[in-house]
Amino acid sequence: QVQLQESGPGLVKPSEALSLTCAVSDYSISSGYYWGWIRQPPGKGLEWIGSVYHNGNTYYNPSLKSRVTISVDTSKNQFSLKLSSVTAADTAEYYCARTAVTGQFDYWGQGTLVTVSS
Amino acid sequence: EMVMTQSPATLSLSPGERATLSCRASQSVGSNLAWYQQKPGQAPRLLIYGASTRATGIPARFSGSGSGTEFALTISSLQSEDFAVYYCQQYNNWPPRGTFGQGTRVEIK
Repeated sequence: QVQLQESGPGLVKPSEALSLTCAVSDYSISSGYYWGWIRQPPGKGLEWIGSVYHNGNTYYNPSLKSRVTISVDTSKNQFSLKLSSVTAADTAEYYCARTAVTGQFDYWGQGTLVTVSS
Repeated sequence: EMVMTQSPATLSLSPGERATLSCRASQSVGSNLAWYQQKPGQAPRLLIYGASTRATGIPARFSGSGSGTEFALTISSLQSEDFAVYYCQQYNNWPPRGTFGQGTRVEIK
């Protein structure tokens, strides 16, 4: 059973960068699959942020592309999200997830709440 | 830009009743559609992928149908644990991109 666990600061100041890491266990990222980030503002729906392949190839939601960087560290079996120039609109629960070979998100982390506030 | 539209926004039903949730894509996605269940304070859980294939461990009362632009998730007989929010997601592009619908809340009547 693949397990994912998000970690990072729960509070970020406006205009600063949000950084989160997703640690993967019971599966080697180097073996394949895409690994993604999804967020959910309080009381709202799900928004895909972007994904990374084990070789480092990335692709992003066009609406966030200018502010997003996703990277992978196969030696630590984890991948990371950086979202720059955050505002209150970036306050959300952030989830990491594995993308199955057919495209659906089959394993999810428990999520971490990030609040943007001064 | 692909848009996924779910209806209704809220479905009020009693335990034991049949629930039918709809999801419409703004352009054809073939069978590249998934359904997720989300309960309060929890991450989404994959229910259905490929429009109609149940994920591992998902009870048979959950079924998915449709192709192209029109999809449905049916819960044949609602159990107490099924009251939750349900999201559809298309993944017709490669590399896969996650375009989600806005969700349907299934609440106890």
